[in-house]
Amino acid sequence: GDSVTQMEGPVTLSEEAFLTINCTYTATGYPSLFWYVQYPGEGLQLLLKATKADDKGSNKGFEATYRKETTSFHLEKGSVQVSDSAVYFCALTLSGTYKYIFGTGTRLKVLA
Amino acid sequence: DVKVTQSSRYLVKRTGEKVFLECVQDMDHENMFWYRQDPGLGLRLIYFSYDVKMKEKGDIPEGYSVSREKKERFSLILESASTNQTSMYLCASSSSLYEQFFGPGTRLTVL
Repeated sequence: GDSVTQMEGPVTLSEEAFLTINCTYTATGYPSLFWYVQYPGEGLQLLLKATKADDKGSNKGFEATYRKETTSFHLEKGSVQVSDSAVYFCALTLSGTYKYIFGTGTRLKVLA
Repeated sequence: DVKVTQSSRYLVKRTGEKVFLECVQDMDHENMFWYRQDPGLGLRLIYFSYDVKMKEKGDIPEGYSVSREKKERFSLILESASTNQTSMYLCASSSSLYEQFFGPGTRLTVL
């Protein structure tokens, strides 16, 4: 079935380090892909999205490229800040369905 | 600014009580969703609704029911709360094929 797999956390980095959080997916059709962020005590917020192959989503210094050949949508940021500490979720949705499929989330902790 | 609101941020109930969690969105979205979030399990879909009075079971509907009498409001009902329903409950809404917008969540504790 359709699924999203994320790297397990927690990921601990020093401020200004480079971030990569891996996400791969399995889907029967052509999904739209999303990264959501959840700050402590809050709901999820959309961070970025891509709706077709080779699209790059970007926001707040984060980027992810929709790679159909490797079925991946890895999240990257060149220089993380303490304020980026949160849980990050990769997700997909398929045309013609109402369902969204989420990964289990990756906790990021950035140390000053 | 788009908004999804949930009736409570924190709730404590006793085993066997009937519990209502309410969600309201102001974006005129057709679709609304209820998830529960547990450590290590991510988000699991309980129910969703694609129109007023329409509902579909998600992955874990047992022990829950829902109501959608108006487009902007989607309620989750725990008919008889149990301790294994202690969790974070997240409501979301979307227009078809686009991203979901989430509420702040309700942390429910069942004693």
